[in-house]
Amino acid sequence: KNEVEQSPQNLTAQEGEFITINCSYSVGISALHWLQQHPGGGIVSLFMLSSGKKKHGRLIATINIQEKHSSLHITASHPRDSAVYICAVRKGDNTDKLIFGTGTRLQVFP
Amino acid sequence: KAGVTQTPRYLIKTRGQQVTLSCSPISGHRSVSWYQQTPGQGLQFLFEYFSETQRNKGNFPGRFSGRQFSNSRSEMNVSTLELGDSALYLCASSLAGVRDYGYTFGSGTRLTVV
Repeated sequence: KNEVEQSPQNLTAQEGEFITINCSYSVGISALHWLQQHPGGGIVSLFMLSSGKKKHGRLIATINIQEKHSSLHITASHPRDSAVYICAVRKGDNTDKLIFGTGTRLQVFP
Repeated sequence: KAGVTQTPRYLIKTRGQQVTLSCSPISGHRSVSWYQQTPGQGLQFLFEYFSETQRNKGNFPGRFSGRQFSNSRSEMNVSTLELGDSALYLCASSLAGVRDYGYTFGSGTRLTVV
């Protein structure tokens, strides 16, 4: 079983819809990251969470440490949000090793 | 501020050859980590370097190696290339040592082994 599980694997939405992507992990972590990867490969770091909730524009990320679960929400989705969203966890404070989920491929249609 | 620079962007090599990939971190970042991304296995951790020392290594064969220089630039080397080494290789740099630090990723090197 993977240490980091994401759902759903694929997601299709109409422009304007509210999107939720979920991430569950089974290990102790020092931080959880949400990453965005567009076609072509480049990865952008969206959020880093160790507790609570963060918001940036239309993106909101939450984490529940006790339940080992995080969610990424996109409000008022737009076709430019189409990308693969990846959840990754860092297990300790003295390492940069990230363990990745398998990603969620999001397509937003106009 | 310049981002993380990976060179080359694309590379085609023949089985059995070796390859060296380069990663220049953001100025001031002393930590560099490397990842392999394939359609079958997704993103997997290769190794990480901090102040020229390898801190952690992923579950890859000894053909995969790396190093970090005093200016924090890092290289990874793959010897005796196999078809299965075809992948996107990404590096990320961070401030490491600062609480709640994040990562900046390079655009990757896409390696094709034929």
